[in-house]
Amino acid sequence: NAGVTQTPKFQVLKTGQSMTLQCAQDMNHNSMYWYRQDPGMGLRLIYYSASEGTTDKGEVPNGYNVSRLNKREFSLRLESAAPSQTSVYFCASMTGNQPQHFGDGTRLSIL
Amino acid sequence: EDKVVQSPLSLVVHEGDTVTLNCSYEVTNFRSLLWYKQEKKAPTFLFMLTSSGIEKKSGRLSSILDKKELFSILNITATQTGDSAIYLCAVERTSGTYKYIFGTGTRLKVLA
Repeated sequence: NAGVTQTPKFQVLKTGQSMTLQCAQDMNHNSMYWYRQDPGMGLRLIYYSASEGTTDKGEVPNGYNVSRLNKREFSLRLESAAPSQTSVYFCASMTGNQPQHFGDGTRLSIL
Repeated sequence: EDKVVQSPLSLVVHEGDTVTLNCSYEVTNFRSLLWYKQEKKAPTFLFMLTSSGIEKKSGRLSSILDKKELFSILNITATQTGDSAIYLCAVERTSGTYKYIFGTGTRLKVLA
């Protein structure tokens, strides 16, 4: 009964490095989301995928790319990490009008 | 611009106290308002509210929506240390660039 699984849980990068955050859900949900959470800012949407094969920008997409690999998996890529991207990243999934289910987050620090 | 505002930003109470958390919104194409509890990791769902004046209740937690005045409250009675968390409010829209707008959250700390 995993729900939404994110990997890795923690990561430290140097400025300019690239990395991919992985997200997988086992609930057969159509929609998947990537958020970042910063102190005092709440959750802000980076990208979302309403269904397999589609992706759209959210509120703060600059510096990120996404791939909806299949119905289960939605990855977030930082091509050239910047200190401003230090944050906690959450993946979520949902279907229909049900509430979103969240993963446990990835804490990312960029030096 | 659509926005969701939560108050207070943080709150410290003692066990047994009752707390009221507020969420006001200015959102076009409103569909529903959701409350989540976030402890150390993933936000977990508490309530979804779509109709005014109908209280949703789960144990010591309850919530109500006022669509005329554009706000919701989350009440927690007889607080326990396990209620310490960030409480997030989100508004779901029927259309728009993306569906959910989150508030900044209220950080609640319950002292023994």
